[in-house]
Formats: sequence, C-alpha cells, structure tokens
Amino acid sequence: EAQVTQNPRYLITVTGKKLTVTCSQNMNHEYMSWYRQDPGLGLRQIYYSMNVEVTDKGDVPEGYKVSRKEKRNFPLILESPSPNQTSLYFCASRGGATTIEQFFGPGTRLTVL
Amino acid sequence: RKEVEQDPGPFNVPEGATVAFNCTYSNSASQSFFWYRQDCRKEPKLLMSVYSSGNEDGRFTAQLNRASQYISLLIRDSKLSDSATYLCVGVYTGGFKTIFGAGTRLFVKA
Repeated sequence: EAQVTQNPRYLITVTGKKLTVTCSQNMNHEYMSWYRQDPGLGLRQIYYSMNVEVTDKGDVPEGYKVSRKEKRNFPLILESPSPNQTSLYFCASRGGATTIEQFFGPGTRLTVL
Repeated sequence: RKEVEQDPGPFNVPEGATVAFNCTYSNSASQSFFWYRQDCRKEPKLLMSVYSSGNEDGRFTAQLNRASQYISLLIRDSKLSDSATYLCVGVYTGGFKTIFGAGTRLFVKA
C-alpha cells in the first residue's frame, strides 16, 4: 500500500530534550515536506526537500532541522524543544515537479512541557 | 496579511444546500492552486486542482481568477459526509514551497 508513515504518532516531552520524528514514504517520491498545524493558523511549512541532500526552509524553520540522506526518509529533528513547538506535525511527499498531489502522513501530536 | 486567506467559517448548512467558499492570495509567484479536505484530526487529502478555466468534479466546482487573485470552491447538493475543513493551497512555481490557508469549517446538518 502506498503511504507516508510517521513515528511516533503521539509524544509528550520536556523542554530541551532532543527528539526526532521520523517520516518515510514508499512511493519513490522526490519531494518531501514537513508542516506544523496550529489552531487558527492552518498548516505552515517548516522545511522541504526536492531530492536527496537537497533541502530548503519553509515559512517556520526556526528550532527545527531536517536531513535527506535517503530518498524515502525525511526526519524532523528538534534539538532543544520548547513549549511553543507544541503542535500537530504532518509529513508529506509528492512525486516531483510535474506531479500535483501531496500525500500526507497521519500526523504526530507533540506536546512540550 | 496572510499569503492565502479564506472565509473564516464555520458554515452551517442543511443537506442539499449549495455552499461556496472563497480564498484570496497575495503572492503572484504562487502558480498552482488546490483545494484540500481535512477531517477532524486527520491528514489533509487533495480534493481538486484549481484552474483558470474552471474545474468540475461531480458536485464540486473550483475556479481561479488570476486577475483578482481569487479562488473559489462550490459544493452543490451538500451531503452529511461533506462536513470537514476545506483548505485553500498555493504552490510556488518550480519548487515545493507550499502555502495553506487557515481553512474553512463546514458543517452539513440533516
């Protein structure tokens, strides 16, 4: 089954404790992206990647890191999480420049205390 | 001002009603537009693309007016299952930078 998977789905952590949210897609997509969704603000793009080793900042990259060492994986790293990073996070992938649809993972609900 | 702005909602309509959502965008570098649907606490899913020539898919019609930087979604004969949040989305040319509107909540009642 074609899908985007994220782990963990739910995470409660404390300020300053480094964490990684994994994202993997099995569709051989070139493009991958991370979003956060907050009430009243909608989805905001954190980082995106157009291919292996090619990443770029979205609208809200501060406090986040990403890497794209393999085509299928695009982990999101919070080196020192803070309470304002409490949010619902979605990973998405898309085939490439000429494809339209983004496929989203199921989301990761992160709470930073 | 947000780059993509939508009707604040929520829209509460009876089954069978026709409902229209509007969306405006401020950055002309956004070249491709879409409507996504998001059910409560679930991931967004593509509903349809939006073209200047209009795009119809069953009960759904989307339209893009580049001169006015305005996007619309029309839902005819609303069903209970149409209850969801509808997200207006712009994608920048040549890349993957994507801007989502905050969403419009639709409630369809029996």
